[in-house]
Amino acid sequence: EAQVTQNPRYLITVTGKKLTVTCSQNMNHEYMSWYRQDPGLGLRQIYYSMNVEVTDKGDVPEGYKVSRKEKRNFPLILESPSPNQTSLYFCASSSQTGAGGYTFGSGTRLTVV
Amino acid sequence: GQNIDQPTEMTATEGAIVQINCTYQTSGFNGLFWYQQHAGEAPTFLSYNVLDGLEEKGRFSSFLSRSKGYSYLLLKELQMKDSASYLCAVRTGGFKTIFGAGTRLFVKA
Repeated sequence: EAQVTQNPRYLITVTGKKLTVTCSQNMNHEYMSWYRQDPGLGLRQIYYSMNVEVTDKGDVPEGYKVSRKEKRNFPLILESPSPNQTSLYFCASSSQTGAGGYTFGSGTRLTVV
Repeated sequence: GQNIDQPTEMTATEGAIVQINCTYQTSGFNGLFWYQQHAGEAPTFLSYNVLDGLEEKGRFSSFLSRSKGYSYLLLKELQMKDSASYLCAVRTGGFKTIFGAGTRLFVKA
């Protein structure tokens, strides 16, 4: 089944404790992206990647890191999480043209206390 | 700046037709997308427009006018299960994809 797999689904952590949210896709998609979704603000793009070893900042990259060492994986790293990073996070992938739209992962609900 | 505007909420009756509008201002344009998102779930892809005109897919149609920076999603024969948020998104010239805040559609019996 074509899918984007994110883990974990839920995470509660403390301020300053480094964490990684994993994302993997099995569709051989070139384009991958991370979004956060907050009430009233919609989906905001954190980082995106056009292909292996090619990443670029979205609209809200501060406090986040990504890497794209393999085509299928695109982890999101929070080096020192803060409470304002409490949010619902989605990983998504698409073909290079984007014509088929994004396939989204199931989401990660992160709470930083 | 870049922005996408769509109504916050709409209500329609089962069996009716509803049109959800989206206007956008972006630096460059490489396609417009509509997604459906049920509460607590991930968005799912509905439609893609890159050229002006109407794209039809079953009960759902999407229209684009690039010169006006305008799109709409048309839902026909509304069903209760169509109650969801509908997200308009634009892939910009730099291949970022930005989303509007979404339109919550309530379908009543």
